[in-house]
Amino acid sequence: ETGVTQTPRHLVMGMTNKKSLKCEQHLGHNAMYWYKQSAKKPLELMFVYNFKEQTENNSVPSRFSPECPNSSHLFLHLHTLQPEDSALYLCASSLSSGSSYNEQFFGPGTRLTVL
Amino acid sequence: AQSVAQPEDQVNVAEGNPLTVKCTYSVSGNPYLFWYVQYPNRGLQFLLKYITGDNLVKGSYGFEAEFNKSQTSFHLKKPSALVSDSALYFCAVRDIGGQGNNNDMRFGAGTRLTVKP
Repeated sequence: ETGVTQTPRHLVMGMTNKKSLKCEQHLGHNAMYWYKQSAKKPLELMFVYNFKEQTENNSVPSRFSPECPNSSHLFLHLHTLQPEDSALYLCASSLSSGSSYNEQFFGPGTRLTVL
Repeated sequence: AQSVAQPEDQVNVAEGNPLTVKCTYSVSGNPYLFWYVQYPNRGLQFLLKYITGDNLVKGSYGFEAEFNKSQTSFHLKKPSALVSDSALYFCAVRDIGGQGNNNDMRFGAGTRLTVKP
């Protein structure tokens, strides 16, 4: 798990709070991803960054705001969330997302609860 | 767009018996197929992938998967299950050369494998 780290591991927030999730990868990868994992549902790809540039935004509500300051760090800024946003948020990284055969390496996730 | 189906929410096997976790896919181009495992309180961990070549792919921890183009399947198998194999397993697919983005990886909903002693 030291390859991709995520903080915090658990987060409880009210609907009016602002918080941020952090992801860091130590694998020398160039692409980073945010996924949402809800019980008994497929993983939902939220955002993709390739060489610090956002290449995908899968119709994610604006209350989720990603930031990628460099190829090793990825943030997900949260504000005015809804209870249905409660889920496990997973960060992943890979070699360039332009090479479709590369597998992704995942962090342990942040368990988010919105009250 | 590509899609993945894992028809079983839960698979139960006895330790020492062979296990199979099923996955079927739908693509408009050619598939790149992946299996991941998720242990409790952990992120997804890569097991194996099929890109091209031999239809039987061997991966970590004694797992293997067989690509079957005619049945559009990529079932995960292991000849002899261990209690420590108990986890959540995800199949994923990329649609190469088809409609949409080659880099978009779609995951199944997951299958919970329980291996009993």
